[in-house]
Amino acid sequence: KQEVTQIPAALSVPEGENLVLNCSFTDSAIYNLQWFRQDPGKGLTSLLLIQSSQREQTSGRLNASLDKSSGRSTLYIAASQPGDSATYLCAVRQDSGAGSYQLTFGKGTKLSVIP
Amino acid sequence: DTEVTQTPKHLVMGMTNKKSLKCEQHMGHRAMYWYKQKAKKPPELMFVYSYEKLSINESVPSRFSPECPNSSLLNLHLHALQPEDSALYLCASSQLLKGRHEQFFGPGTRLTVL
Repeated sequence: KQEVTQIPAALSVPEGENLVLNCSFTDSAIYNLQWFRQDPGKGLTSLLLIQSSQREQTSGRLNASLDKSSGRSTLYIAASQPGDSATYLCAVRQDSGAGSYQLTFGKGTKLSVIP
Repeated sequence: DTEVTQTPKHLVMGMTNKKSLKCEQHMGHRAMYWYKQKAKKPPELMFVYSYEKLSINESVPSRFSPECPNSSLLNLHLHALQPEDSALYLCASSQLLKGRHEQFFGPGTRLTVL
């Protein structure tokens, strides 16, 4: 059974700092990995999706990397802003079988960017 | 347009009420999902529909009854719920054919059961 772990559970940084969020997964047979952002009481916003054949994806100040063989992904946020404060969730989709439709989520990293 | 819409935004219901949650997408996605999310926890998958047919039911109690009337709509009918069913209910959709299979989520319905 796939397990996804996110470290740290919470992170507080001063505005302007670069930061890295970590995600690890136990089963490397994944189809893709998605990073989401969730504001309190709101839905999930898809930030980046990395296919299993890709190494990284970039969108603006965000860069996500994937090392499938070691079961790791990182989300790099450059020049953090108070508006980046949210919970960041990592989720993996399995390659085949019964789990092929569903995402397995980590518990998230709660990020606070202090002005 | 990468939008998934959900109505209502908030719902308060008693344990004897019958209510429905609605979800709509116009991205041509043929997979649609219901998730339940409790406070400070990640979303938990409840149901998956593919090509308007129920393909996954994650052992959800029968007081939750999903329905997919067409490829754009997904409903969740609620009856005789318990207070512990209070949560944020999220709808999502994705492609089914070979491709990115990126899941897009709606804003959720905040359900309170009294």
